Amino acid sequence: GAGVSQSPSNKVTEKGKDVELRCDPISGHTALYWYRQSLGQGLEFLIYFQGNSAPDKSGLPSDRFSAERTGGSVSTLTIQRTQQEDSAVYLCASSLAASGGQHEQYFGPGTRLTVT
Amino acid sequence: RKEVEQDPGPFNVPEGATVAFNCTYSNSASQSFFWYRQDCRKEPKLLMSVYSSGNEDGRFTAQLNRASQYISLLIRDSKLSDSATYLCVVIRGSASKIIFGSGTRLSIRP
Repeated sequence: GAGVSQSPSNKVTEKGKDVELRCDPISGHTALYWYRQSLGQGLEFLIYFQGNSAPDKSGLPSDRFSAERTGGSVSTLTIQRTQQEDSAVYLCASSLAASGGQHEQYFGPGTRLTVT
Repeated sequence: RKEVEQDPGPFNVPEGATVAFNCTYSNSASQSFFWYRQDCRKEPKLLMSVYSSGNEDGRFTAQLNRASQYISLLIRDSKLSDSATYLCVVIRGSASKIIFGSGTRLSIRP
């Protein structure tokens, strides 16, 4: 079946511009997660959704970052007024649920964001 | 101190060798544990869950030691294709408490 998909795969933007990243989770997965990974570094948790709600937004690095999920499916991560330090690979993952031992996550291929 | 720590490596071993590495966690309330592998410039892929009783999948064996707060991954008869970064994942409480280790880099040489 189809896995997690993300678009765009690559995005180059100028400092100060807004960007929107999209994630399509696996059908039937109620939990969706956003991470970012800088070159050679580990994964940094940003936010997760259970259905359409985001119980914990504390991982978002600043108020320039926001995310939403509608219809319990597609999610968008928006970064406003991008800065060079936002350059990273943004990874989305989904799992059947966010609790109850159903945390096994399946990742999308990521969006490589470069802010010039 | 990080909540989840891994030896970054690299571990450089010959094909056919057995290699093992650990991941330590500091919070005793941690509940679920996983190993992922990540190839260069690719997304992480789930390798295996780690159960209290330990589990084995082919050449891979994962163990959990709650008393000493670490999980381990053992790879037997290593293949060139095992070269990757291995990430441990620790979960406690809600999904917002999913913590990835920084990964251990493994390189298998012919």
